[in-house]
Amino acid sequence: QVQLVESGGGVVQSGNSLRLSCAASGFTFKTYAIHWVRQAPGKGLEWVAIISFDGSHKYYADSVKGRFTISRDNSMSTVYLQMNSLTADDTAVFYCARGRGEFCAGGGCYSLSDWGQGTLVTVSS
Amino acid sequence: QSALTQPASVSGSPGQLITISCTGTSSDVGGHNYVSWYRQHPGKAPKLLIYDVSNRPSGVSNRFSGSKSGNTASLTISGLQAEDEADYYCTSYSSSVTLMVFGGGTKLTVL
Repeated sequence: QVQLVESGGGVVQSGNSLRLSCAASGFTFKTYAIHWVRQAPGKGLEWVAIISFDGSHKYYADSVKGRFTISRDNSMSTVYLQMNSLTADDTAVFYCARGRGEFCAGGGCYSLSDWGQGTLVTVSS
Repeated sequence: QSALTQPASVSGSPGQLITISCTGTSSDVGGHNYVSWYRQHPGKAPKLLIYDVSNRPSGVSNRFSGSKSGNTASLTISGLQAEDEADYYCTSYSSSVTLMVFGGGTKLTVL
């Protein structure tokens, strides 16, 4: 079965950096795009970033552009989210999620079929 | 403020039918057929209910259906059950500044 497991969350001071990991199993990792989505405490979901199946295309939300970097290692079936210059507004549960369709065919990137359990990032001021 | 507009809350009694709306613009909901809907129970990860406006993933009950008219998409839940009490989110591909946008979420209460 498809499994996504996030790790790397924790408490970090404002202005510092953190790297999240998303380890995948149960599917052909190298053929699927992966997203990061976050949820601030008591708030709604916010899309953060996507990386294509081969890592050649990356897109970010305006709120994180220039501060966050998404990457992947297909040999390790893992996606990373490097987060720099963190502020209190970045405090959230971060989820990784798989795009529904292989190779993003037919817009399959744009729906998220499987999600991890999330990892909490707390930025203290 | 979220890019897509959803009602903050809706409610219904067991067995009833309810509809949740999701209003965007011609750059997202109105211009593309990549609207998805998710259900999230407290403390849990979201679950995909509908993709590409009206398609259900395997295993999702046919009590859930999706549609779109102009810049507004809708999720309809029929035969309301206690387990449907949760938060519901829409999302859409966007051809404007950001690739994907979420709605603010709708809390469904089953009376």
